[in-house]
Amino acid sequence: DAGVIQSPRHEVTEMGQEVTLRCKPISGHDYLFWYRQTMMRGLELLIYFNNNVPIDDSGMPEDRFSAKMPNASFSTLKIQPSEPRDSAVYFCASKPLAGGYNEQFFGPGTRLTVL
Amino acid sequence: DQQVKQNSPSLSVQEGRISILNCDYTNSMFDYFLWYKKYPAEGPTFLISISSIKDKNEDGRFTVFLNKSAKHLSLHIVPSQPGDSAVYFCAASDHNQGGKLIFGQGTELSVKP
Repeated sequence: DAGVIQSPRHEVTEMGQEVTLRCKPISGHDYLFWYRQTMMRGLELLIYFNNNVPIDDSGMPEDRFSAKMPNASFSTLKIQPSEPRDSAVYFCASKPLAGGYNEQFFGPGTRLTVL
Repeated sequence: DQQVKQNSPSLSVQEGRISILNCDYTNSMFDYFLWYKKYPAEGPTFLISISSIKDKNEDGRFTVFLNKSAKHLSLHIVPSQPGDSAVYFCAASDHNQGGKLIFGQGTELSVKP
């Protein structure tokens, strides 16, 4: 299995531009999670999906952030417009079972720099 | 309001010695705890976990201890090896929250030869 795939691995953009981050979860996993890692706040959960349906988006910073999961094998996290404070590493993770205690499997992350 | 806290941002240990990483939590509803390891430019990878019905779980050189009354857990690595140098994240979950994990800030472990 290829694991969780994220693209791009690095993104540099200018303030005000739209940014789209992509994630392909592990096949067969029911849950998908988006996290953001910063020095100040560590690893924060932004949003998670169960069977393509958003369950908890309470971690999404503000309306500039949106996430979609149109099918079981693809999700996007969009920032529009982007701001310098959005600079961080964004991780996608997936989990195999509904509920339960299985650990999450993380992708390699997308390092976003907003100038 | 941070529900999971790792108060030591960094730890340096000599190769062969024990590494002890600590984690505190505030939410008594957490019933499952995990440790993740992260190397630079990679995503976190699962290391070891423990259910709230246990107080110890061991896997090779790694042992996690849970003290529910103190809301504290720790990860012991014995003996420490240079390849263990990484950032270690503690995470907690409540099974009623669909597998959602709350992470600590991380502790950067450096194992010196």
